[in-house]
Amino acid sequence: EVQLVESGGGLVKPGGSLRLSCAGSGFTFSRYDMNWVRQAPGKGLEWVSCISASSSYIYYADSVKGRFTVSRDNAKNSLFLQMGSLRAEDTAVYYCARVLSPGGSTWFGGWGQGTLVTVSS
Amino acid sequence: DIQMTQSPSSVSASVGDRVTITCRASQDISSWLAWYQQKPGKAPKLIYAASSLQSGVPSRFSGSGSGTGFTLTISSLQPEDSATYFCQQANTFPLTFGGGTKVEIK
Repeated sequence: EVQLVESGGGLVKPGGSLRLSCAGSGFTFSRYDMNWVRQAPGKGLEWVSCISASSSYIYYADSVKGRFTVSRDNAKNSLFLQMGSLRAEDTAVYYCARVLSPGGSTWFGGWGQGTLVTVSS
Repeated sequence: DIQMTQSPSSVSASVGDRVTITCRASQDISSWLAWYQQKPGKAPKLIYAASSLQSGVPSRFSGSGSGTGFTLTISSLQPEDSATYFCQQANTFPLTFGGGTKVEIK
C-alpha cells in the first residue's frame, strides 16, 4: 500500500523558515516524480513544486520561487521542502503527492495526510 | 499560466440526481486533465485522469472533453459523493487547479 507521511509543519513567524519532510513507503520511491501541493484554510488546491525521480528537473510555482527549495533523498525514500522568507499567505496544509505512474503525467495518484504550516506573529 | 475555471462553485442535488461539473481551460490542454474528490479533513483522491476512470471509483462517475472544455458527471448521486471536486491540468508547468465545486446532498 502506498503511504506518504508528511512532517515538520508548525507555527512560524513571518520571515521565518521551516523544513517539511515526506516519507514514502509501499512503492519504489526512486521511480516517481514527487510534488508538493498546498491548501490554505477553506480554500482550493495550489500546486507548489515538482521534483523528478532523479532530481534532474525541478519546477516551482511563481508564488514560492526563490523562497522554497524542493529536494529528495531516494536512498531514504524521502522528499523535502525547505521553506524560507515565510509569509502569512503561505499558511496552508501542505501535501506531499506522488504522480500516478513512473514517467507518466503529472497527476497525483497518491497523497499524504498533510501537515499544517501556520505563519503568524 | 493556464487558468482553470470550474462551474458551478456549488451544487445541491438529491440522491439519484444527475450532476454535471464543468471545467474550462484558458488554452488547449488536449486531454491532460484530472479530476479529484476531496472530503472534509481528507486529502484529495484522484478519480479521473485523461479520460480514464481510476481503479475502485464507481462507474457512476464519468468524464469527457478535450481541448479547453471538460465535464465530470455523476450519473446517479449517492450520499457518499458529497465532497468538493477539483479539476487539474497536467499539460504545462505550473500545474493549475480549478477553484472547486462543492457537491451537497439535499
